[in-house]
Amino acid sequence: IAGITQAPTSQILAAGRRMTLRCTQDMRHNAMYWYRQDLGLGLRLIHYSNTAGTTGKGEVPDGYSVSRANTDDFPLTLASAVPSQTSVYFCASSDSDRAGELFFGEGSRLTVL
Amino acid sequence: EDKVVQSPLSLVVHEGDTVTLNCSYEVTNFRSLLWYKQEKKAPTFLFMLTSSGIEKKSGRLSSILDKKELFSILNITATQTGDSAIYLCAVRHAAGNKLTFGGGTRVLVKP
Repeated sequence: IAGITQAPTSQILAAGRRMTLRCTQDMRHNAMYWYRQDLGLGLRLIHYSNTAGTTGKGEVPDGYSVSRANTDDFPLTLASAVPSQTSVYFCASSDSDRAGELFFGEGSRLTVL
Repeated sequence: EDKVVQSPLSLVVHEGDTVTLNCSYEVTNFRSLLWYKQEKKAPTFLFMLTSSGIEKKSGRLSSILDKKELFSILNITATQTGDSAIYLCAVRHAAGNKLTFGGGTRVLVKP
């Protein structure tokens, strides 16, 4: 299936636990992104990667880390989850020629208790 | 600090009505403005605008950009229940691929 796959779709975890959200794309897009969506705040960029092997910080990077070992995968890790990280997380990718046109995954709903 | 502000926050209309959504921005090194539709989960791309006064059209949806006054509008004519969604505006910076999103407008179209 072409597109972006995120896992898990939903997760509840205790504060202080480590969590990795997975993201895989099969469109061979160079750029990938992680956004969080909170009510009234729209989508806020956490981290991004313009190409495999490089990453950058977005608006709200604290408490999150990413890696981009290859073109297809872009996992997001919460080293020690806190309740304020309760959110819906979207992974996205874009082609270099049309970088504004993002293709989004279905999202991962994370609840930190 | 870059800002993208959408209005109204939400609105309720009836089928057949026309809807106008607003997006204003304050962004350094503007490159393009984009509109997305989010129905249930993943946002999907609608339009990309880069030049002032250029109106993009796709069926009943159209959008125009005013780079002098720093805003864009998205119009939906002859609304249908399937138009119910959150509409997101985003601005792309000239440097890099990052987008700054507004908070979205939630549209509910009643039969």
